[in-house]
Amino acid sequence: GNSVTQMEGPVTLSEEAFLTINCTYTATGYPSLFWYVQYPGEGLQLLLKATKADDKGSNKGFEATYRKETTSFHLEKGSVQVSDSAVYFCALLIQGAQKLVFGQGTRLTINP
Amino acid sequence: EAGVTQFPSHSVIEKGQTVTLRCDPISGHDNLYWYRRVMGKEIKFLLHFVKESKQDESGMPNNRFLAERTGGTYSTLKVQPAELEDSGVYFCASSQGQGNSPLHFGNGTRLTVT
Repeated sequence: GNSVTQMEGPVTLSEEAFLTINCTYTATGYPSLFWYVQYPGEGLQLLLKATKADDKGSNKGFEATYRKETTSFHLEKGSVQVSDSAVYFCALLIQGAQKLVFGQGTRLTINP
Repeated sequence: EAGVTQFPSHSVIEKGQTVTLRCDPISGHDNLYWYRRVMGKEIKFLLHFVKESKQDESGMPNNRFLAERTGGTYSTLKVQPAELEDSGVYFCASSQGQGNSPLHFGNGTRLTVT
């Protein structure tokens, strides 16, 4: 089946620290991969995506590279800010299917 | 443009009662989805409408859940009777097309069943 496994949270970092949130997937087809973010009191927002192997998605200083050989899509940011505090969800979408498969979410807290 | 709106934002009901959640998609979006996150776990797909038709309802947990989208505009998700394990956050999303068309999510409805 299709599934996404994310790094267990919560994750707490100091401002300007380096961030990695691990995400690996299992897919029967050839998926597109996504990171969504939920800021406090808001809905899910698409942070970045990649649709094929070796693609790099990037947005707001965050990056993730689609690694087919390791079935991974780890989220990274070189210097986090307090405003990055949120819950981050890794997700996949199988071509031809219309439903996202999400990981369990990782709560990130950045302290000043 | 107005985003996806969900109502209510929070609902607290007792076991056995009925609750109806509403979702207003972005105007012109034919595709409407319901998802649910239970107790800090992964967000799971419930169902997908294309206009007023149910395209995929494979994620609906049981027959206590009824989703409708009369007229192909807003959608409702009714839980009757509610059980404790139905507590969670219910998200609605809409998109203009399918495939890799971006999904726009609402803020969710937090349902607590006591």
